[in-house]
Amino acid sequence: AQSVTQPDIHITVSEGASLELRCNYSYGATPYLFWYVQSPGQGLQLLLKYFSGDTLVQGIKGFEAEFKRSQSSFNLRKPSVHWSDAAEYFCAVVDTGGFKTIFGAGTRLFVKA
Amino acid sequence: GVTQSPTHLIKTRGQQVTLRCSSQSGHNTVSWYQQALGQGPQFIFQYYREEENGRGNFPPRFSGLQFPNDSSELNVNALELDDSALYLCASSLDSGEVTQYFGPGTRLTVL
Repeated sequence: AQSVTQPDIHITVSEGASLELRCNYSYGATPYLFWYVQSPGQGLQLLLKYFSGDTLVQGIKGFEAEFKRSQSSFNLRKPSVHWSDAAEYFCAVVDTGGFKTIFGAGTRLFVKA
Repeated sequence: GVTQSPTHLIKTRGQQVTLRCSSQSGHNTVSWYQQALGQGPQFIFQYYREEENGRGNFPPRFSGLQFPNDSSELNVNALELDDSALYLCASSLDSGEVTQYFGPGTRLTVL
């Protein structure tokens, strides 16, 4: 069965520093991969997605992610974090049938001044 | 975008609840997710053109309806304390479209 693992429950970075959030997936074929962001008390906002093609994908708010098939990873990166990036980040994969999105447990990002 | 109502809801164990969602215009597929505190969302079920199209590991007391006017409902009977969660609705253009757009959620508290 498909699964998504986000190894870091929470991460703290200084404003202006770079960020990398880790995501590993378990899937038999080429997956559809997503990163979402959730601010406190809010729904999920799509940051970026990977379906095929170029393994480095660009998203909104200056985020990018790289798909590495050999490592079954889809890590999210940002070169310079802003205080407004503090939120919960979820990595997700869509299952074989295409009707169910499977989410990781999330990584809470804290940004310190 | 996708809207949900109400924003917050408090119920007592054993009661029934109905949560509502309005999909993005033109989207014929809606999915519902349960997000317990500190966890990622868990898939409940999906509706496509008013029929259930797939279901996660949730008991039958979780049921849904989808209407022709882009609206849908999630109904939960015999509420249990563990049903306390944020319930998210997501719509997509078609059943084969994997990109979903999420609403802000309804926070349900069961006492």
